Amino acid sequence: ETGVTQTPRHLVMGMTNKKSLKCEQHLGHNAMYWYKQSAKKPLELMFVYSLEERVENNSVPSRFSPECPNSSHLFLHLHTLQPEDSALYLCASSQETDQPQHFGDGTRLSIL
Amino acid sequence: AQTVTQSQPEMSVQEAETVTLSCTYDTSESDYYLFWYKQPPSRQMILVIRQEAYKQQNATENRFSVNFQKAAKSFSLKISDSQLGDAAMYFCAYLYSGGGADGLTFGKGTHLIIQP
Repeated sequence: ETGVTQTPRHLVMGMTNKKSLKCEQHLGHNAMYWYKQSAKKPLELMFVYSLEERVENNSVPSRFSPECPNSSHLFLHLHTLQPEDSALYLCASSQETDQPQHFGDGTRLSIL
Repeated sequence: AQTVTQSQPEMSVQEAETVTLSCTYDTSESDYYLFWYKQPPSRQMILVIRQEAYKQQNATENRFSVNFQKAAKSFSLKISDSQLGDAAMYFCAYLYSGGGADGLTFGKGTHLIIQP
């Protein structure tokens, strides 16, 4: 039990598809995050939510759309993605934004 | 903007030996946290150890310890008595203690191989 659960574990989609990634945390944390992990590159922060309010959008393309309906759930809606968007997408949560983050197992996304 | 640099893409160590992974960072802030995360093939990012910048004492967690040199902006991880289960990618990460929107800044990682 990791405390942060991500589904699906793997996702293959075409560039015209619409799909969503889901993250759920069971730790009672107030902040949640999406990171992108590409080969040979450091993890990149995509979005930060604190108490369900988006704190930062790190200049992420609009084809990625986050949603945080409550403090336990975080979604990443995907549409018309590009091949370079293939990566591991990691969700994390923390008690507050200045506290250590706990990560899920990630969703491996492949764009055909 | 803060940056984190891990200069060792890959390290190899014999089982039961000691290995040190290097990390340097750059920031204009005085209050921050530093972390080492481990990512095994299972992909889960696991927190190994944390260090508060205001603390002079180096953090220790069982076989894992750090050498934190604030003036030099250096934060190395020492793994003693290496075990096969230590094989993973290790990421050094920085977090501004004022919170906010920056999240964690990661280095590119060091792939640690344990030779039996």
